[in-house]
Amino acid sequence: EIVLTQSPGTLSLSPGERATLSCRASQSVSSSYLAWYQQKPGQAPRLLVSGSSIRATGIPDRFSGSGSGTDFTLTISRLEPEDFAVYYCQQYGNSPPYTFGQGTKLEIK
Amino acid sequence: QVQLQESGPGLVKPSGTLSLTCAVSGGSISTSNWWSWVRQPPGKGLEWIGEIYHSGSTNYNSSLKSRVIISVDKSKNQFSLKLSSVTAADTAVYYCARRNWVSHAFDIWGQGTMVTVSS
Repeated sequence: EIVLTQSPGTLSLSPGERATLSCRASQSVSSSYLAWYQQKPGQAPRLLVSGSSIRATGIPDRFSGSGSGTDFTLTISRLEPEDFAVYYCQQYGNSPPYTFGQGTKLEIK
Repeated sequence: QVQLQESGPGLVKPSGTLSLTCAVSGGSISTSNWWSWVRQPPGKGLEWIGEIYHSGSTNYNSSLKSRVIISVDKSKNQFSLKLSSVTAADTAVYYCARRNWVSHAFDIWGQGTMVTVSS
């Protein structure tokens, strides 16, 4: 089973700043099979990025994903008030189980 | 557009069986997508439980495999989860989700339903 470790656990930033979230895998993950989700309190997760860098429909271009192998990054170029939430990375390789990282909480500084 | 809606008891007794259903609306369950269950204990992260294809093929998380059955009812356009021998550790919000056949990511989620295991 591939373990995903996200860092930092909590990120405190101000609106307008740039956010960089990290996801490290215990073994190599195909770039095609790495996704990022945003979850706000009381809501279901929302897909932001799949295939490590492909934004989902309707996702603003301030969100961008990158990386390969075992190291992946989600960048939010200029934080909007609605971006403060918990972010999860997930791998969905050739075979299950599909695992999630433990999450990064992005909070307002 | 496709929407998912979970339903089922919000309270299950220890050692009992948790049973949930996910209704698919706005589209057919008989597509090239897979249909999953994901859970989230209070204040914790996400755990994938398992998935089913409209043909009935399934994949399960090995950590839960001995207790999980996922089934599909194409006539009702829905799929279901049964988790047996539940304990307090199974208390969580349970989500159903669609794993998109193109992106392979979970692109559509239900709103989630809270299930508490307690006597």
